Amino acid sequence: EADIYQTPRYLVIGTGKKITLECSQTMGHDKMYWYQQDPGMELHLIHYSYGVNSTEKGDLSSESTVSRIRTEHFPLTLESARPSHTSQYLCASSEYSARASTDTQYFGPGTRLTVL
Amino acid sequence: AQTVTQSQPEMSVQEAETVTLSCTYDTSESNYYLFWYKQPPSRQMILVIRQEAYKQQNATENRFSVNFQKAAKSFSLKISDSQLGDTAMYFCAFMKRGQGAQKLVFGQGTRLTINP
Repeated sequence: EADIYQTPRYLVIGTGKKITLECSQTMGHDKMYWYQQDPGMELHLIHYSYGVNSTEKGDLSSESTVSRIRTEHFPLTLESARPSHTSQYLCASSEYSARASTDTQYFGPGTRLTVL
Repeated sequence: AQTVTQSQPEMSVQEAETVTLSCTYDTSESNYYLFWYKQPPSRQMILVIRQEAYKQQNATENRFSVNFQKAAKSFSLKISDSQLGDTAMYFCAFMKRGQGAQKLVFGQGTRLTINP
């Protein structure tokens, strides 16, 4: 099992502010992901990373940006928060397991963002 | 593109009963994985069970088992002897098998309530 940490768990902020959501994992996983989840809805991938200095956009368009300077750290930044960014943001990491013959993603606890 | 459909938005059963959650998916891929994730009210996404598409044997994890019908593209989750702690949102997810970061495609979720 992976240990995935996200901070803050809850954030209420005003429109126009710059915010960074932190995500870190302690298992040395190469791959990391950010998902956006509206209440009671499915998750949509917004960013992912194969490894250090690698970032890609996901299936759902997002105004956020990410960086991957260290293996364990994958922060998400919104330069100017808007009410439409209000959502839950879930971070995940994965690594291929030969024993399980699968690439399983493990999730952090999430950050619930509210933009007023 | 892959799609995952969960046709039961909500389900409710009595403690100790058996419950089956439905999931269908659409894909042209032949090598893939299927997952069931659980998201309790605390909101951390937890892996319940996974299935490799090339394996005909249905996966089981204690009280959780799946009925994988590849030709029908169906992947249902059965929870036996349900417990109060099983109350959660359950998401079915699809992942294509291959190199690189693998993206999960989620269904809409089923809200399961176990009543005492």
